[in-house]
Amino acid sequence: DQQVKQNSPSLSVQEGRISILNCDYTNSMFDYFLWYKKYPAEGPTFLISISSIKDKNEDGRFTVFLNKSAKHLSLHIVPSQPGDSAVYFCAANYGGSQGNLIFGKGTKLSVKP
Amino acid sequence: ETGVTQSPTHLIKTRGQQVTLRCSSQSGHNTVSWYQQALGQGPQFIFQYYREEENGRGNFPPRFSGLQFPNYSSELNVNALELDDSALYLCASSSPRGGLQETQYFGPGTRLLVL
Repeated sequence: DQQVKQNSPSLSVQEGRISILNCDYTNSMFDYFLWYKKYPAEGPTFLISISSIKDKNEDGRFTVFLNKSAKHLSLHIVPSQPGDSAVYFCAANYGGSQGNLIFGKGTKLSVKP
Repeated sequence: ETGVTQSPTHLIKTRGQQVTLRCSSQSGHNTVSWYQQALGQGPQFIFQYYREEENGRGNFPPRFSGLQFPNYSSELNVNALELDDSALYLCASSSPRGGLQETQYFGPGTRLLVL
């Protein structure tokens, strides 16, 4: 039973346009959500996070939106750059989960020049 | 500031053998978590160590065990290797602050192949 779902295995976007990556979750106890980016042969790199008390968090070109009623979050990248091409993982946990980050399966983003 | 490092980068073992993977946490971090990432999947939580004690465990059998040392570095040991243990093993470090949400920072991983 997947508690964190990324239903799009891949996404292709033109350079300069917006990339929107989506993530759904089922566990209403989750109170902290993170996005990681992963290049081949490297570990995941932390991008941005959001607490369940917020509905939006911005960091430069990256914005994460959280819709608690829909149990949905999304990562917006504007403008997209070829260097953003990577696999993006959504992850979640909750207070008392003892560090157990639960990950989705990832979405491979390709940004074409 | 030194990031999370892992060794070795790659490893080939045969079924039934034992393996030890190592991780050095980011400076200032006292907590280490281990994850297994199979091909095409997201990382799966194995266990976490905080101040040298196991602080949580995922759905992995007892042949997966670990240690954390006084300098907060950590080892993951896997006994009686099986073919399905072939995966990328990731270590992440963090510094929990009294129950506040924490961000985990990952190392580059160790790629284990079991033949």
